[in-house]
Amino acid sequence: QQQVKQSPQSLIVQKGGISIINCAYENTAFDYFPWYQQFPGKGPALLIAIRPDVSEKKEGRFTISFNKSAKQFSLHIMDSQPGDSATYFCAASKTGGTSYGKLTFGQGTILTVHP
Amino acid sequence: GAVVSQHPSRVICKSGTSVKIECRSLDFQATTMFWYRQFPKQSLMLMATSNEGSKATYEQGVEKDKFLINHASLTLSTLTVTSAHPEDSSFYICSARDPRDSQPQHFGDGTRLSIL
Repeated sequence: QQQVKQSPQSLIVQKGGISIINCAYENTAFDYFPWYQQFPGKGPALLIAIRPDVSEKKEGRFTISFNKSAKQFSLHIMDSQPGDSATYFCAASKTGGTSYGKLTFGQGTILTVHP
Repeated sequence: GAVVSQHPSRVICKSGTSVKIECRSLDFQATTMFWYRQFPKQSLMLMATSNEGSKATYEQGVEKDKFLINHASLTLSTLTVTSAHPEDSSFYICSARDPRDSQPQHFGDGTRLSIL
């Protein structure tokens, strides 16, 4: 019930290409879906997040697509750059109740963007 | 924006030593902080939720006597790995919730713990 499944485990993209990472969740009580970017030796940093009342959110080159009925959401990175090479984690959270703020993370995707 | 500072960034010590890691919220008061452990090429594993002024809530399978958490003020939580052994070597990350914004957590930059 608490799992968030992320795929692919790793992804190689050419510079300028589109990177797509997918996540699926089970718990319908989740109402906040962030994506984090992590560089080696650093903590995760929030990239973009979405709530289930919208189907898409775009910030610069990063877009989240959200399908509430399928319980799936995905991250699209347009015009991928070598500097985007990092590990990406999707996550899900319930923003109410006693477990407010507790994040359930996906398994992570190692993205490599070749020049 | 909100900043979470974690110290030290790296520590190497002998087996049997106790190691303390600090997590500070620099520009907000955090009633709730979280401690994670991350193995190489793996996801973050929540160890415990730290609430200011009360006992931490540990996740299943995490030894509370091994990983002591203290959240004595609204800006500081500490994790002490007691009598550390090589299997405790890992990347430990803290995070804090800023009640002023909608983000559940802001993350520190982690502590690389190596036990020889």
